[in-house]
Amino acid sequence: DTGVSQDPRHKITKRGQNVTFRCDPISEHNRLYWYRQTLGQGPEFLTYFQNEAQLEKSRLLSDRFSAERPKGSFSTLEIQRTEQGDSAMYLCASSSTPGQGNYEQYFGPGTRLTVT
Amino acid sequence: AQSVTQLDSQVPVFEEAPVELRCNYSSSVSVYLFWYVQYPNQGLQLLLKYLSGSTLVKGINGFEAEFNKSQTSFHLRKPSVHISDTAEYFCAADSGNTGKLIFGQGTTLQVKP
Repeated sequence: DTGVSQDPRHKITKRGQNVTFRCDPISEHNRLYWYRQTLGQGPEFLTYFQNEAQLEKSRLLSDRFSAERPKGSFSTLEIQRTEQGDSAMYLCASSSTPGQGNYEQYFGPGTRLTVT
Repeated sequence: AQSVTQLDSQVPVFEEAPVELRCNYSSSVSVYLFWYVQYPNQGLQLLLKYLSGSTLVKGINGFEAEFNKSQTSFHLRKPSVHISDTAEYFCAADSGNTGKLIFGQGTTLQVKP
């Protein structure tokens, strides 16, 4: 078990460009979550998957954002036509199903996005 | 809607002194509660959690928290802090056990020598 990994760790892009982030969860976890954290704030929920099914999307996730988990393993988060307001840390977490066993969310190191 | 409030944005404390970081949540249903720590430029690390059972929860690094349902609180405590405890601390709640964590705004713990 190597924990949750995210790639890249840092991304600098120009306004209007598209970016894609990847998250590899802990292998036995069926739940995968995306959060966004802006400077000085707590993480905000964006979306989550149970296996390959996307079960909920936050209102924060505009039409420019899309997330996938095609085979129920790794996930990607894409932002199209980036805006300066998208600059944030994007965190991924994984867990077993809530209510089953020793439930907790394990977080990756995050991808810091800077839009210039 | 579920919300989590951390009552102090910054808590300065001297090394070896006790500390309490306060957290209140709003929920009308059963709730899971968590405390996470975040060191600069790193992800979140779980300190402790309350899922059910005993209301006094012990975690890593000497931290503990008490779930108080009547006051809807989950305050974090440590009897003697170290310089290395300097970090950002986040309280989080999962209402209805959905897996969707709602975080507080965070408390910066500054331990001074």
